[in-house]
Amino acid sequence: DIQMTQSPSTLSASVGDRVTMTCRASERLNNWLAWYQQKPGKALKLLIYQASTLERGVPSRFSGSGSGTEFTLTISSLQPDDFATYYCQQYKSYSWTFGQGTKVEIK
Amino acid sequence: QVQLVESGGGVVQPGTSLRLSCAASGFTFSMCGMHWVRQAPGKGLEWVGVFSYNGRDTYYGDSVKGRFSISRDNSKNTLYLEIHGLRAEDTAVYYCAKEQSSGPYRTVDAWGQGTLVTVSS
Repeated sequence: DIQMTQSPSTLSASVGDRVTMTCRASERLNNWLAWYQQKPGKALKLLIYQASTLERGVPSRFSGSGSGTEFTLTISSLQPDDFATYYCQQYKSYSWTFGQGTKVEIK
Repeated sequence: QVQLVESGGGVVQPGTSLRLSCAASGFTFSMCGMHWVRQAPGKGLEWVGVFSYNGRDTYYGDSVKGRFSISRDNSKNTLYLEIHGLRAEDTAVYYCAKEQSSGPYRTVDAWGQGTLVTVSS
């Protein structure tokens, strides 16, 4: 299985900050990588797919970049609604695998 | 508007079996691959398996192969997950998720709220 390593596990930031989190894969993904947001009591939400394509309806402050085995999710100006846990996920091959998650907390 | 509603969870004894359901609406169910993903309390996401959009193939994660079975009834727009020989480590929230409807490689673009399965004697 492809291993996904996400960092940091926790990120403390303030409203308006630019935040970045990283996901590394154990093999090249050909950009078949997605990012999801999870908030307590709410359904998981797809943010980015194919490494850098913004899902319809997702605010443009979210962006994804990277290629090969290293990928990044950036929030350009953190908003109160963005405090949540974020997961990367590879869908190049079954079994799909997820990163361990990055929790974005209020500083 | 896509809706996915899981049901069938609860407290179950080790060694027993359980069937979870996922009722889908708001999209052409028969044309989409459908996945199950689980999350143990306080832990990350684990992919369980998929019923492929081709309507024939199923694939499973290594940790559940042989005990879990995914099926679907397109006439009822419903996805199922059967779990046999339940273990304490199967305790988790189980989510169903819908695949994107196009593309050579498709991830999931909608999730249900999940149903909690607790395995305990």
